[in-house]
Amino acid sequence: KAGVTQTPRYLIKTRGQQVTLSCSPISGHRSVSWYQQTPGQGLQFLFEYFSETQRNKGNFPGRFSGRQFSNSRSEMNVSTLELGDSALYLCASRNGDRGTGELFFGEGSRLTVL
Amino acid sequence: GENVEQHPSTLSVQEGDSAVIKCTYSDSASNYFPWYKQELGKRPQLIIDIRSNVGEKKDQRIAVTLNKTAKHFSLHITETQPEDSAVYFCAASRESGGYQKVTFGTGTKLQVIP
Repeated sequence: KAGVTQTPRYLIKTRGQQVTLSCSPISGHRSVSWYQQTPGQGLQFLFEYFSETQRNKGNFPGRFSGRQFSNSRSEMNVSTLELGDSALYLCASRNGDRGTGELFFGEGSRLTVL
Repeated sequence: GENVEQHPSTLSVQEGDSAVIKCTYSDSASNYFPWYKQELGKRPQLIIDIRSNVGEKKDQRIAVTLNKTAKHFSLHITETQPEDSAVYFCAASRESGGYQKVTFGTGTKLQVIP
């Protein structure tokens, strides 16, 4: 079974631009969540989607948005990029829609904002 | 909201020695506590988890203990090997309104010196 796939793996943008990142979950997983990873800050939760609906959102500004498609693939978008948005963006998928359980992470998209 | 504190942020041990990483959480409703290992340039992967109805769980050289009263849990790695070198993240999870709410610690960089 293929793992969680994220594209692109690396990208460089300049301040003020926008970026779209993509995540394809493990086949059969309908829950996709996104995290921002920066040195010293760990993994900070952005949002979670299930069956095309956003179920939970972290404490990030409205410049960060996401969506999920009917095939469970998800995208996140960051508009008006700032230098502080430079980070590794990880998505994770999960089997099941209730309860608690293991997250399966992708390898991440490393965003550098110049 | 939930707050997870993780210590130490860095840890160096000699090969063969034991390593202990500690986490505390604030939300008494958290009932699932996973540990993820992230090797350099790789995705985080679950190495062990524990649920709130269990006090200790072992898997070969790794073990996790949970003290619900004190709201802290720990990861123990015995007979450390160079391949144990990685960043380790603890997390506290609970179900909320039908979805999983996960809060991660800030990570511990473990270096095993051969």
